[in-house]
Amino acid sequence: AQSVTQPDIHITVSEGASLELRCNYSYGATPYLFWYVQSPGQGLQLLLKYFSGDTLVQGIKGFEAEFKRSQSSFNLRKPSVHWSDAAEYFCALLTDSWGKLQFGAGTQVVVTP
Amino acid sequence: EAGVTQFPSHSVIEKGQTVTLRCDPISGHDNLYWYRRVMGKEIKFLLHFVKESKQDESGMPNNRFLAERTGGTYSTLKVQPAELEDSGVYFCASSQEAEDYGYTFGSGTRLTVV
Repeated sequence: AQSVTQPDIHITVSEGASLELRCNYSYGATPYLFWYVQSPGQGLQLLLKYFSGDTLVQGIKGFEAEFKRSQSSFNLRKPSVHWSDAAEYFCALLTDSWGKLQFGAGTQVVVTP
Repeated sequence: EAGVTQFPSHSVIEKGQTVTLRCDPISGHDNLYWYRRVMGKEIKFLLHFVKESKQDESGMPNNRFLAERTGGTYSTLKVQPAELEDSGVYFCASSQEAEDYGYTFGSGTRLTVV
């Protein structure tokens, strides 16, 4: 069965520190994976996506993610967080060719001064 | 380019009442999706329109939910009668080509049923 797991519900990080958000997936074929961010009062914004090719994907706002097939993971990273990165982050898996997404439960990121 | 617009942004209704949520996709986007996030759980797929046709409505919870997309433009999602468990945030997204997977999401409608 297909699934997306974000093990961390809540993460607190200091401004300027590095951030890594975990995402594990289960899927029978080559996965198409996404990371979205939702800031308060905003819609979901696409940070980056992986379809194939280079396993290190660069996204917007200084984020990157690495696809590791052997670990069924697609972790999101940022070297130095800014206060504006405080938001909820969602990992998602494409589950059919028509664009249906399956989301993880989300990780809430709090940035402290 | 205008984004995906959803309204109302918030709605509080009593159990048993009817509520209609509206989504205006980006102009020219044939694909329109509805998702829902209930009580801090995962965001879950409800249905997908291609133009005015329902391509996939496998995520619709029950027959109290009715979605329409008039003329392939805006879409409405009606809940009748609303139940407490329908509370949550309803998101709409649109894309030009399904294979592009370049969705734009709206800000969502927060529905509270009391």
